[in-house]
Amino acid sequence: TQLLEQSPQFLSIQEGENLTVYCNSSSVFSSLQWYRQEPGEGPVLLVTVVTGGEVKKLKRLTFQFGDARKDSSLHITAAQPGDTGLYLCASRSGAGSYQLTFGKGTKLSVIP
Amino acid sequence: DAGITQSPRHKVTETGTPVTLRCHQTENHRYMYWYRQDPGHGLRLIHYSYGVKDTDKGEVSDGYSVSRSKTEDFLLTLESATSSQTSVYFCAISPKGESNSPLHFGNGTRLTVT
Repeated sequence: TQLLEQSPQFLSIQEGENLTVYCNSSSVFSSLQWYRQEPGEGPVLLVTVVTGGEVKKLKRLTFQFGDARKDSSLHITAAQPGDTGLYLCASRSGAGSYQLTFGKGTKLSVIP
Repeated sequence: DAGITQSPRHKVTETGTPVTLRCHQTENHRYMYWYRQDPGHGLRLIHYSYGVKDTDKGEVSDGYSVSRSKTEDFLLTLESATSSQTSVYFCAISPKGESNSPLHFGNGTRLTVT
């Protein structure tokens, strides 16, 4: 089973600040997904990255996939209170596996 | 919003009693999953299904069983609930099993075993 390490575990910032959260593994990712989860709800997919070096933007969110496909980052520009939530990265456990393994997440609080 | 309904949304039960959680989907997706989410552990896969009557174990399957007799329903049963099974349980669905196929989650069932 591929282990996904996310950092930091908790992050509390003021509205308007920038932040970056990370997802790392000792193994190569076939692809990587980022989800956001709000309290009382299930995770919701933000993006899937597939190619090493890939950069995807979703409004103020920028996702990067490392060249070696062993790490990924999520950068939020000018954070807003609506960005508050648990950010999770996830990847398949191995070639041909149906199982999606999740990191423990980064809990982000954006203070107005 | 993917059509996934989990029931019940909340349940309190006593140690030793059987409990069944239901996941119902209206998307006709082939793959269905049960996860549990606990502080400090994140989301962990319990069981999954890749078709009607086709199921397999995940990372934390001990004490749980599943059944899928129809495409739309995936049941998770705790044969004899224990306090360690107090958790939030999420069902998820996916149209494909490939590595970049996303999961769509329900809103969870909060189970408390006293």
